[in-house]
Amino acid sequence: GAVVSQHPSRVICKSGTSVKIECRSLDFQATTMFWYRQFPKKSLMLMATSNEGSKATYEQGVEKDKFLINHASLTLSTLTVTSAHPEDSSFYICSATVMWGMRTEAFFGQGTRLTVV
Amino acid sequence: GESVGLHLPTLSVQEGDNSIINCAYSNSASDYFIWYKQESGKGPQFIIDIRSNMDKRQGQRVTVLLNKTVKHLSLQIAATQPGDSAVYFCAENIAGSQGNLIFGKGTKLSVKP
Repeated sequence: GAVVSQHPSRVICKSGTSVKIECRSLDFQATTMFWYRQFPKKSLMLMATSNEGSKATYEQGVEKDKFLINHASLTLSTLTVTSAHPEDSSFYICSATVMWGMRTEAFFGQGTRLTVV
Repeated sequence: GESVGLHLPTLSVQEGDNSIINCAYSNSASDYFIWYKQESGKGPQFIIDIRSNMDKRQGQRVTVLLNKTVKHLSLQIAATQPGDSAVYFCAENIAGSQGNLIFGKGTKLSVKP
């Protein structure tokens, strides 16, 4: 099946620095990828929709200047958390959807555990 | 909104028993539903899906039931094993969307040996 690779799996950074998370579709082209955030013991919340070659669409309440998304190719989307603060510590997950005829299936990356100290 | 620190609902079952995990969805325009399993520290893994024109779909040891009248989805796991212990999320896709999923709150399944 389709594989989505997310890197890094864990990162610890200092307050005020920026962190880049990569999401790659390894064996398929993804014109659209999604970025989710998950707090402990909570469900996944969609942050933004990343569209190849155009600007990302952010969900209400998500700061686009803080969470920069770049989808420069059909196999790579990046999320950069700028000027990170401890409250940005979370589990970030990307996904890409594939159409199999009438069926749409989402494939998820392994997730990135971000800890801001 | 949810309270900070609200714990996930937990279902505790004995190994070998059947498990039923329930999910209520909100949008009548949702046309596709998926169950995901998430183990600690990992991304969600696809288990089984169902389209809105069906009311039941079976996989290996898992069955998904869809009741559109009451907007209810359930996941049945037969002969639950310790490896099934995880958090299970249902997700809905709204017809015409780009494929971004709306996730339910999740249920933690604990299997006692």
